[in-house]
Amino acid sequence: GAGVSQSPSNKVTEKGKDVELRCDPISGHTALYWYRQSLGQGLEFLIYFQGNSAPDKSGLPSDRFSAERTGGSVSTLTIQRTQQEDSAVYLCASSLASGLKQFFGPGTRLTVL
Amino acid sequence: GESVGLHLPTLSVQEGDNSIINCAYSNSASDYFIWYKQESGKGPQFIIDIRSNMDKRQGQRVTVLLNKTVKHLSLQIAATQPGDSAVYFCAENKDSGAGSYQLTFGKGTKLSVIP
Repeated sequence: GAGVSQSPSNKVTEKGKDVELRCDPISGHTALYWYRQSLGQGLEFLIYFQGNSAPDKSGLPSDRFSAERTGGSVSTLTIQRTQQEDSAVYLCASSLASGLKQFFGPGTRLTVL
Repeated sequence: GESVGLHLPTLSVQEGDNSIINCAYSNSASDYFIWYKQESGKGPQFIIDIRSNMDKRQGQRVTVLLNKTVKHLSLQIAATQPGDSAVYFCAENKDSGAGSYQLTFGKGTKLSVIP
């Protein structure tokens, strides 16, 4: 597609439920990133995928968070047993290669009740 | 610790005037910097980037200045328009060679353009 797309755009869930957030990067971009943005804050790095290399998961806040990237394209961020503090906008970005400018999707706004 | 921050959290500018948004960084190893614009309800939009071997880079109505001596980055917007109203983030990438990819973001400056 023309840009990074994410779905759903909004997700409201109950505490304790699992959620899956999807990211479709720009075609041909080998690097994919997930960030979290809390209200009025900057972006917090979560996880990074580059080609077939093992992902860098160093930014994931807890073991309830996981992500995968299938076929080197689409990525899914999964949050298990959601907590209220997980409420935030989850942003996905992609780039042609690591270290270059990242293009962001519109984000998924997650609200945990 | 190492971080990217901003001098002013909010900035109000009259339409037609020039805007200057500042950013301080503390990691001297950073060699790549980016400015993003984020409008309400949208993801960050790339504006302009600069590598540490440059002091200045110009785009369309925007200029980024890098002062490595004092670790300061600024974004200048010429003839500010209402559509420029947004939150602006600076971000840094240290050593953008192979294997380096993380962007560290500042908290952002909210620019409000007064018609």
